[in-house]
Amino acid sequence: GAVVSQHPSWVICKSGTSVKIECRSLDFQATTMFWYRQFPKQSLMLMATSNEGSKATYEQGVEKDKFLINHASLTLSTLTVTSAHPEDSSFYICSARVTAGGGATDTQYFGPGTRLTVL
Amino acid sequence: DAKTTQPNSMESNEEEPVHLPCNHSTISGTDYIHWYRQLPSQGPEYVIHGLTSNVNNRMASLAIAEDRKSSTLILHRATLRDAAVYYCILATSGTYKYIFGTGTRLKVLA
Repeated sequence: GAVVSQHPSWVICKSGTSVKIECRSLDFQATTMFWYRQFPKQSLMLMATSNEGSKATYEQGVEKDKFLINHASLTLSTLTVTSAHPEDSSFYICSARVTAGGGATDTQYFGPGTRLTVL
Repeated sequence: DAKTTQPNSMESNEEEPVHLPCNHSTISGTDYIHWYRQLPSQGPEYVIHGLTSNVNNRMASLAIAEDRKSSTLILHRATLRDAAVYYCILATSGTYKYIFGTGTRLKVLA
């Protein structure tokens, strides 16, 4: 139980285009999902907290107009990188906090990550 | 947000026990201690978590100091597949946010 999927697993796009990444909790409900980014050889950095049916809460220094987050259901959150530039190239990882279903309650389970490369 | 401190790297021989330490001296009474591990180009994998008492599961054991200012993740018999970066995280009750530290890179020698 407690499986989180991400789609796509990798994406290459041109500078100036927008990219959408999906995060799904497959066998549990997740009122809260989180988005992280990770640069090579660095730790994960929390970008934002996504709550179902409400606006996301962004960490200090994260541009909310650039990284659009939507959490329309208890099993799906999306991150859209708008007008992507090469410096946005990174490994994006989502997680979902278990509120009901499989897995330990209030524990986050992570997706496999999405590698974004902006040319 | 409460922070954790871990050694940057550790080595272990295969089939020997491994004790991964974590200091969290600013922990508050309602913070859970979570451990995850991450393989290259993958998302973190849940290992174990606890609040006050020691915990065991099929992957590992978690030993929590009586004052809760430190904890130790114990892998009973390291295998090559256990080579990963291990993160100790304090989960703040209420926000449930995870703030990742630098983690410990575990190298397992055959």
